[in-house]
Amino acid sequence: ETGVTQTPRHLVMGMTNKKSLKCEQHLGHNAMYWYKQSAKKPLELMFVYNFKEQTENNSVPSRFSPECPNSSHLFLHLHTLQPEDSALYLCASSQRGIDSPLHFGNGTRLTVT
Amino acid sequence: RKEVEQDPGPFNVPEGATVAFNCTYSNSASQSFFWYRQDCRKEPKLLMSVYSSGNEDGRFTAQLNRASQYISLLIRDSKLSDSATYLCVVNKMDSSYKLIFGSGTRLLVRP
Repeated sequence: ETGVTQTPRHLVMGMTNKKSLKCEQHLGHNAMYWYKQSAKKPLELMFVYNFKEQTENNSVPSRFSPECPNSSHLFLHLHTLQPEDSALYLCASSQRGIDSPLHFGNGTRLTVT
Repeated sequence: RKEVEQDPGPFNVPEGATVAFNCTYSNSASQSFFWYRQDCRKEPKLLMSVYSSGNEDGRFTAQLNRASQYISLLIRDSKLSDSATYLCVVNKMDSSYKLIFGSGTRLLVRP
């Protein structure tokens, strides 16, 4: 398996549920990211990890909790979400470097009911 | 002013047409520039990096104008399969490496 894979592809959860999104990259990259894409809005950066260390938390509410156990895996733990959190959540990876493009997974489409 | 700004479109062009998109960015210190393509309900995919001297990849040409702080994407001989949203991406020069995405320009190529 190559590239960046995300699971699940679709997720429907109630506001009191707890769920986790998973991302795995097979590209040997050392940086991983979570982005949120809402309808008619640009991609919003949520979290950045470099060599497993969180280097960016873009003012994300605490109901989103990232975890990066190693350079290849990234999780996003979700709890007590709101309906406005419904969006496409995209994981990406890159080499650490100023001219490094991002490689995206195919995303998790989340609906909060 | 938005950090990265694009005309949302849509640009509706016939097959075979040449179409160009511009994107402006606010941070004069930015050094990395990319164009991504995103199909409906799919993830963004890198189309091409943008280099200072301009670069070409087949029917696609990207250019950078640092003085005016914009980048452009030119598509020649448009194909139906070029229909997508084109995202302009610029790095944010601060303590961590961040890429900032524009809202995208939608292109529709009609038969």
